[in-house]
Amino acid sequence: GESVGLHLPTLSVQEGDNSIINCAYSNSASDYFIWYKQESGKGPQFIIDIRSNMDKRQGQRVTVLLNKTVKHLSLQIAATQPGDSAVYFCAEIPYTSGTYKYIFGTGTRLKVLA
Amino acid sequence: DSGVTQTPKHLITATGQRVTLRCSPRSGDLSVYWYQQSLDQGLQFLIQYYNGEERAKGNILERFSAQQFPDLHSELNLSSLELGDSALYFCASSVAPGTGGNTEAFFGQGTRLTVV
Repeated sequence: GESVGLHLPTLSVQEGDNSIINCAYSNSASDYFIWYKQESGKGPQFIIDIRSNMDKRQGQRVTVLLNKTVKHLSLQIAATQPGDSAVYFCAEIPYTSGTYKYIFGTGTRLKVLA
Repeated sequence: DSGVTQTPKHLITATGQRVTLRCSPRSGDLSVYWYQQSLDQGLQFLIQYYNGEERAKGNILERFSAQQFPDLHSELNLSSLELGDSALYFCASSVAPGTGGNTEAFFGQGTRLTVV
């Protein structure tokens, strides 16, 4: 079935370094992709999204790259800070049957080391 | 604050019981999604409603059911509870599809259900 997976369940990075979180998706018909950040005890929060007709989108300290050829999505966080410690989920959003469906990956835990 | 409200925040109940989780979506959002998140796990999609109608179903158990009311709030009913049902249950809402706006789903803070 449809699924979104992640290569690394846990990623540890030094404070100040750049982080790269990867995600593989399976539905080539997905129209959007979103990265969410979930801090402990809270609901997932939107970080950045990208449409399927784009390759790259930049936000504040974050960049999302989309490679449709290999169905790969990545989130780059520049100058990682302690507040970036969280679980990050990618989600693919295909538009089917007149509605958007949100398919989440299993998540990557990012640990920022002081 | 995402604008999505879930109640209660915490719920402790015994096996075999039935509980109802409530979600109020953001003002104007017609789509409501329910997810289950077990400890250190991902988000498992349960069910989606759009303007009162069921639109998509995920791996939702037959013991679970949901509905969306005319005022757009939604309830998730969990019955014959088992220990394995202990989890965080999240509700999310999004704008109507095809509106051309952002597609992000806004999540509530979740209801932590503990079955003992």
